[in-house]
Amino acid sequence: GAVVSQHPSRVICKSGTSVKIECRSLDFQATTMFWYRQFPKQSLMLMATSNEGSKATYEQGVEKDKFLINHASLTLSTLTVTSAHPEDSSFYICSAIKGGPTDTQYFGPGTRLTVL
Amino acid sequence: RKEVEQDPGPFNVPEGATVAFNCTYSNSASQSFFWYRQDCRKEPKLLMSVYSSGNEDGRFTAQLNRASQYISLLIRDSKLSDSATYLCVVNKATGANNLFFGTGTRLTVIP
Repeated sequence: GAVVSQHPSRVICKSGTSVKIECRSLDFQATTMFWYRQFPKQSLMLMATSNEGSKATYEQGVEKDKFLINHASLTLSTLTVTSAHPEDSSFYICSAIKGGPTDTQYFGPGTRLTVL
Repeated sequence: RKEVEQDPGPFNVPEGATVAFNCTYSNSASQSFFWYRQDCRKEPKLLMSVYSSGNEDGRFTAQLNRASQYISLLIRDSKLSDSATYLCVVNKATGANNLFFGTGTRLTVIP
């Protein structure tokens, strides 16, 4: 199988604080991880692509200084939402691929962020 | 224009019914196509890939029409457990993994 976990599954924080979300591939080494965001009744939108040991590639319109991505190992990527605001409240989902660039993406269970 | 467009539904069908979902994509150079299923407040899960020749997996049949840039999913003999949101997904890049998701079509199968 290919299992991807995320932690935490749910987080509530105050406006202005920072929140870190972890994405782990549990039974494989992930060459690439992806971070998505999904607002209610909207589609998943890719935020950034993360390769181990290199800087993430951000999609247009995603602020790299606000959404810090660190991919320190082949099994762990983190997304830190800095100075969170209520409009950052969303469902954040990561995915990972084990092989080449066109391999199937395996999704984590998602993290629901609520900023008060 | 959106990369991927779907009818959001909802589709409410009785158990045992056949239901079809459609999806269009804007980029004619798109490389690969998928249907994902997403349950409420959960992550999407791959249902099936979609091939030009059409493919079937049990009660599910997917079709691709490249000329019309159109993808379909047919579900036969609907089960209560089929209730979910079905996402049309397109990878438009060659040698990369850029997935574009539709907003999904909501299906509810009624007893």
